[in-house]
Amino acid sequence: KQEVTQIPAALSVPEGENLVLNCSFTDSAIYNLQWFRQDPGKGLTSLLLIQSSQREQTSGRLNASLDKSSGRSTLYIAASQPGDSATYLCAVGMYSGGGADGLTFGKGTHLIIQP
Amino acid sequence: EADIYQTPRYLVIGTGKKITLECSQTMGHDKMYWYQQDPGMELHLIHYSYGVNSTEKGDLSSESTVSRIRTEHFPLTLESARPSHTSQYLCASSEWDTQYFGPGTRLTVL
Repeated sequence: KQEVTQIPAALSVPEGENLVLNCSFTDSAIYNLQWFRQDPGKGLTSLLLIQSSQREQTSGRLNASLDKSSGRSTLYIAASQPGDSATYLCAVGMYSGGGADGLTFGKGTHLIIQP
Repeated sequence: EADIYQTPRYLVIGTGKKITLECSQTMGHDKMYWYQQDPGMELHLIHYSYGVNSTEKGDLSSESTVSRIRTEHFPLTLESARPSHTSQYLCASSEWDTQYFGPGTRLTVL
């Protein structure tokens, strides 16, 4: 059974710092990996999707890497801003005949960026 | 970006009531999903669908049921609500691999 772990569980840093969020998974035979942010009272917003054949994806100040063989992914946030404060979730998809079924999620990293 | 809607956003109801949580998407996505998230915990997949008349159970056992009569609509039903059903329920859809989530329904059963 796939298990996803995210470290740290919580992180508080001053504005402007670069930071790294970590995600590990137990079964390396993944189909893809997706990073989300979750804001209080709202649903999840997809940030980046990495296919199993890819090593990294970038969007603006965000960069996600994937090391499938070691079961790890990192989300790098450059020049953090108070608006980045949220819970960041890592989720992996396993392959089935119709593409990925549902995702397996970690518990998330609760991030606070201090102004 | 997908438009996916859930109603109600908040629901407080007594034990034994039948409830239906609504989920609709306007993007014509074939795949839809229901996840359950307890406070401070990870999301768990409880149901998914590949298309009309297709429903499957997810990783987490749930007493809820789902139906998929129309592509855009994926309602979740609890025949008799109990306090143990108190949780947040999130609906998602996807065309290929990226999943897009609705805002969720926060359910409280007294």
